[in-house]
Amino acid sequence: GAVVSQHPSRVICKSGTSVKIECRSLDFQATTMFWYRQFPKKSLMLMATSNEGSKATYEQGVEKDKFLINHASLTLSTLTVTSAHPEDSSFYICSARDVGGELNEQFFGPGTRLTVL
Amino acid sequence: GQNIDQPTEMTATEGAIVQINCTYQTSGFNGLFWYQQHAGEAPTFLSYNVLDGLEEKGRFSSFLSRSKGYSYLLLKELQMKDSASYLCAVFDSNYQLIWGAGTKLIIKP
Repeated sequence: GAVVSQHPSRVICKSGTSVKIECRSLDFQATTMFWYRQFPKKSLMLMATSNEGSKATYEQGVEKDKFLINHASLTLSTLTVTSAHPEDSSFYICSARDVGGELNEQFFGPGTRLTVL
Repeated sequence: GQNIDQPTEMTATEGAIVQINCTYQTSGFNGLFWYQQHAGEAPTFLSYNVLDGLEEKGRFSSFLSRSKGYSYLLLKELQMKDSASYLCAVFDSNYQLIWGAGTKLIIKP
């Protein structure tokens, strides 16, 4: 099956710093990538939809200036958490939709555990 | 609004059968997914139903009734490794995935 990677898998940073998370589709092209956040014992919450070559679409309540998304190529999207604070500590997961696949084909990355001290 | 309901937690015995229910109210419907998520890991795909009926895949089966807004995931011959959260998600009319909160399944020996 299609593979999506995320880097880093785990990051610990100080409050006020910025953290960049990469999401790559390894063996397929993804015009659309999704960024989710998941707090402990909670379901996935969609943060934004990232479209290659255009601006990301953010969900209500998600600050676009704090969570910067760039989808510069068909295989890479990045999420930058700017001026991170402890409340941003969470599990961030990306998923990618295969350009050539059925609409129901959405593949998840392994997730990035962010801890802000 | 859009809503997906599933039990928060269930407990079952190794070797037994368990059924996890999911009911949904969404703006449109383009399919229902079940995902398995182990603690600290990303979800992995289990099944996709878009038509009514039962889809069987090994020890796991998924059922859908669109008229009732209802689905269930059936797990047979439970193994300890099946201990995980099971997430129900629905594609709405815009093909946006709406997620349930997940059901934590605890398997006891």
